[in-house]
Amino acid sequence: NAGVTQTPKFQVLKTGQSMTLQCAQDMNHNSMYWYRQDPGMGLRLIYYSASEGTTDKGEVPNGYNVSRLNKREFSLRLESAAPSQTSVYFCASSEGGSSYNEQFFGPGTRLTVL
Amino acid sequence: DQQVKQNSPSLSVQEGRISILNCDYTNSMFDYFLWYKKYPAEGPTFLISISSIKDKNEDGRFTVFLNKSAKHLSLHIVPSQPGDSAVYFCAASERGRADSWGKLQFGAGTQVVVTP
Repeated sequence: NAGVTQTPKFQVLKTGQSMTLQCAQDMNHNSMYWYRQDPGMGLRLIYYSASEGTTDKGEVPNGYNVSRLNKREFSLRLESAAPSQTSVYFCASSEGGSSYNEQFFGPGTRLTVL
Repeated sequence: DQQVKQNSPSLSVQEGRISILNCDYTNSMFDYFLWYKKYPAEGPTFLISISSIKDKNEDGRFTVFLNKSAKHLSLHIVPSQPGDSAVYFCAASERGRADSWGKLQFGAGTQVVVTP
């Protein structure tokens, strides 16, 4: 059981480049989430997917797009990277619904935009 | 506008003593609270939670206290051990809300250092 996996672990981009962060979970969870972590800000929700086939904006969605490819995979795309998107990105999953809020996190992707 | 606040960015405590981490929230609709622990280069891991219908929840060395009237919760770690050195995030959720979908609001985190 790998839990939540994320690729890549590290990435350096130039301003204007695009990239996709990949996330997969093997816990048969319904809900998946993308967060960014910045110093002094905690984790902020970018997008989430309550269930397969649905996605919705979180607190800081600007500059990002997501795809819930299937139940296991949830990707985050930066179409035109900006220095303000330098951050650590975490993917998480949970069973979903109102009864369960424990989220399981991946190890993160450290992204630097020059 | 941060709805969950951890006003102490860091805490240093001696091994064997009690660590007390504090968290305040502003949204009175929050009804479920969690603490996550994070080591460097790893993702956060769930530590302990509490529902708003309780005022205390205990799990081994970890106890969370909730004071709803003050919109305040705290995490007590007794006794503190070197392996407890990590960043601790407080998080809150509106589980009673139909469209909450498990979304969490996180505080900024408190770095705990346990010294021998």
